[in-house]
Amino acid sequence: GQNIDQPTEMTATEGAIVQINCTYQTSGFNGLFWYQQHAGEAPTFLSYNVLDGLEEKGRFSSFLSRSKGYSYLLLKELQMKDSASYLCAGMDSNYQLIWGAGTKLIIKP
Amino acid sequence: DVKVTQSSRYLVKRTGEKVFLECVQDMDHENMFWYRQDPGLGLRLIYFSYDVKMKEKGDIPEGYSVSREKKERFSLILESASTNQTSMYLCASSSGQGHTDTQYFGPGTRLTVL
Repeated sequence: GQNIDQPTEMTATEGAIVQINCTYQTSGFNGLFWYQQHAGEAPTFLSYNVLDGLEEKGRFSSFLSRSKGYSYLLLKELQMKDSASYLCAGMDSNYQLIWGAGTKLIIKP
Repeated sequence: DVKVTQSSRYLVKRTGEKVFLECVQDMDHENMFWYRQDPGLGLRLIYFSYDVKMKEKGDIPEGYSVSREKKERFSLILESASTNQTSMYLCASSSGQGHTDTQYFGPGTRLTVL
């Protein structure tokens, strides 16, 4: 079956670095997406990886290893506004997104 | 910026009522999607549409139907609402220029069925 696993909740300190992991099993693979969702709001796109390696975008970076079925989202210089849920989604051979349940990130001062 | 709007942020209905959820996007996107989001579960696809008057079933279409009469508008219909359809409903759209293009989401409708 198809499955996306990510931790339910993580806590980090303002100014620190946090890594949110995601493992995926999809029928075929057409890339891995990360979205951010603040409480009560719409998910917003953060990153898309389809090749192995690290993609950096300001304070946020996303990594993919296709051989391991693994991705992570790295957030640097954490700010209070980064408190949100982070959703990992894999795209299968039919170009459908398979979504994880999301990781709630709590930032403490 | 892409804007996806949904007709209501909060909705309360009674069991057996017919419910319409409206979604409108302003970027001339080809693709539109309806998801539901429940605690502890990932987004689950209900229906999607790649063109006007076209619809495809997602993973959980039972109890729902959709309508896409105009390119910018995608409606989700609950023919006879039930309590297990209490959920957050999210609409999304994507350009359709590439298979892997980004989906843009509306703010969601939190539906409670009593």
